[in-house]
Amino acid sequence: EAQVTQNPRYLITVTGKKLTVTCSQNMNHEYMSWYRQDPGLGLRQIYYSMNVEVTDKGDVPEGYKVSRKEKRNFPLILESPSPNQTSLYFCASSNLPGPIYSGANVLTFGAGSRLTVL
Amino acid sequence: QKEVEQNSGPLSVPEGAIASLNCTYSDRGSQSFFWYRQYSGKSPELIMSIYSNGDKEDGRFTAQLNKASQYVSLLIRDSQPSDSATYLCAVNPRQGGKLIFGQGTELSVKP
Repeated sequence: EAQVTQNPRYLITVTGKKLTVTCSQNMNHEYMSWYRQDPGLGLRQIYYSMNVEVTDKGDVPEGYKVSRKEKRNFPLILESPSPNQTSLYFCASSNLPGPIYSGANVLTFGAGSRLTVL
Repeated sequence: QKEVEQNSGPLSVPEGAIASLNCTYSDRGSQSFFWYRQYSGKSPELIMSIYSNGDKEDGRFTAQLNKASQYVSLLIRDSQPSDSATYLCAVNPRQGGKLIFGQGTELSVKP
């Protein structure tokens, strides 16, 4: 089954304790992205990657790091989490840079990771 | 002005009615437009994509795009309680494929 897998699904941690949220896709997609979702703010992009070793900042990158060493994996790293990073996080992938009019930028989302930072 | 704007709702409609969800966007050069449905606590799932002006129908769903007025809408005919969810509008503002999401409209269909 084509899917994006995130782990952990739920995590409660404390301020300053480094954590990593893993993301893996089995669709051979080149494009992967991380979003956070907060009430009233919708989905906001944190980082994205167009290919292995190529990553770029999204709209809210502060406090996050990513890496893309393999095509299938795109982990999100919080080096020193703070309470304002409490959120619902989604990893997604798509067929970019394929033709947009063929749906290359349609995103497939992971199930989400709910993070609470105390 | 936000790049993609939606009314947050909640929008409440009776079962069997037509639900109309609207979205406006700021970049006139936007290329592609999407509606995602998100049930509470779940991930977004694609309902409709639309790329050219006019209507696109898929079952009970119709997406409408008007690039001159910079809006895209989603009509849900014969609304069912199972349609109760948050509907996210997403727009690709330019070449490169990045999607910008609206804040979502919460729809409640009452039996």
